[in-house]
Amino acid sequence: QEQLQESGPGLVKPSETLSLTCTVSGYSIRSGFYWGWIRQSPGKGLEWIGSIYHSGSTEYNPSLKSRVTISVDTSKNQFSLNLSSVTAADTAVYYCARAAAGNWGQGTLVTVSS
Amino acid sequence: DIQMTQSPSTLSASVGDRVTITCRASQSIGTWLAWYQQKPGKAPDVLIYQASRLQNGVPSRFSGSGSGTEFTLTISSLQPDDFATYYCQHYDTYSGTFGQGTKLEIK
Repeated sequence: QEQLQESGPGLVKPSETLSLTCTVSGYSIRSGFYWGWIRQSPGKGLEWIGSIYHSGSTEYNPSLKSRVTISVDTSKNQFSLNLSSVTAADTAVYYCARAAAGNWGQGTLVTVSS
Repeated sequence: DIQMTQSPSTLSASVGDRVTITCRASQSIGTWLAWYQQKPGKAPDVLIYQASRLQNGVPSRFSGSGSGTEFTLTISSLQPDDFATYYCQHYDTYSGTFGQGTKLEIK
């Protein structure tokens, strides 16, 4: 069974870019499935951000599409999230997960504040 | 967009009770539904996928049913470890839409 671990800064300034990486162990990203990002904030509950396939094919939540980029590095078995022009509304716990009801990472709190 | 609506938002129950949580989809989703359990400070864990398939390691007191637009999660006999928040999720190959959650509290 796959295990996932998020990493990245816990504090980001307004208008800057939030960057997180997810490292997958116990399963090769090249073997299949989409891999995605989800966030959880008190105001908006659980929100799917976007997903990527090992080929690089991506799908994004339309409400965030203009600010989101997800990329994959199969050599490191990692995928990454960039969310640009962040505001306080982007403060949340960010999770990486295998799509289609797969396992999740433990989550990382990202606070947007100056 | 498909919307997922859970009820109730909060449920008070006692150890040993049988409880049911309902999730409704705004349009038919077949059996592309998962149930998650989340405890404070932890990530959600998959309990049920494909509406009724029990994830490996999940106790058999948990069961899921339904198809189309109406789904239920049943816990046959509540245990102390079961008091948590439960979410339903419509999922497809690459995305997912979540219900707003049901907080299961000790009565």
